[in-house]
Amino acid sequence: EVQLVESGGGLVQPGRSLRLSCTASGFTFGDYAMSWFRQAPGKGLEWVGFIRSKAYGGTTEYAASVKGRFTISRDDSKSIAYLQMNSLKTEDTAVYYCSKGRLVLDYWGQGTLVTVSS
Amino acid sequence: EIVLTQSPGTLSLSPGERATLSCRASQSVSSSYLAWFQQKPGQAPRLLIYGASSRATGIPDRFSGSGSGTDFTLTISRLEPEDFAVYYCQQYGSSPYTFGQGTKLEIK
Repeated sequence: EVQLVESGGGLVQPGRSLRLSCTASGFTFGDYAMSWFRQAPGKGLEWVGFIRSKAYGGTTEYAASVKGRFTISRDDSKSIAYLQMNSLKTEDTAVYYCSKGRLVLDYWGQGTLVTVSS
Repeated sequence: EIVLTQSPGTLSLSPGERATLSCRASQSVSSSYLAWFQQKPGQAPRLLIYGASSRATGIPDRFSGSGSGTDFTLTISRLEPEDFAVYYCQQYGSSPYTFGQGTKLEIK
């Protein structure tokens, strides 16, 4: 059974950093891209970015709103995808979700809440 | 960036009725890379349709997707009580991948 579990969320001050983790099980993690999304309170879904599998270069793409501040990485030996968030802004407050793949997003984690506030 | 506009914003229907949700793109969606998601309060999104018309695993056949180019439709043939939720379309044909603003399907 495929499972994705996000962790690392919490309350953080503007300008600080936070790293989220997405721990995967139930599939061959290294064979898949991994994506991150977010949803601000009461708002719609927003694509954050993804990381391709090593077979496709492990390259990344990001939304303009986070490019240069957020970095997605992966550790295939641990089946974990990371979202490093730097220079956080109040508008980054959201539930962050990871998902298996980058095209057909059939599995999602339960999300982790990040609150950016002083 | 491809902008997706969903209509209506809110749809009020009764169980047993047919629901038709629209998603219009600001430019053509490459290879019909258009998905539909269902989201209930406090839950992660659930993939319903990908490739504009392919049902995801385990999705009942009352859900169907159609369309190409810039106009896409999600149809729920006979609404069940568990279908009342928010529905989002998403294009993944060109980066940045974008979502529509959502359609809330509520019980009339």
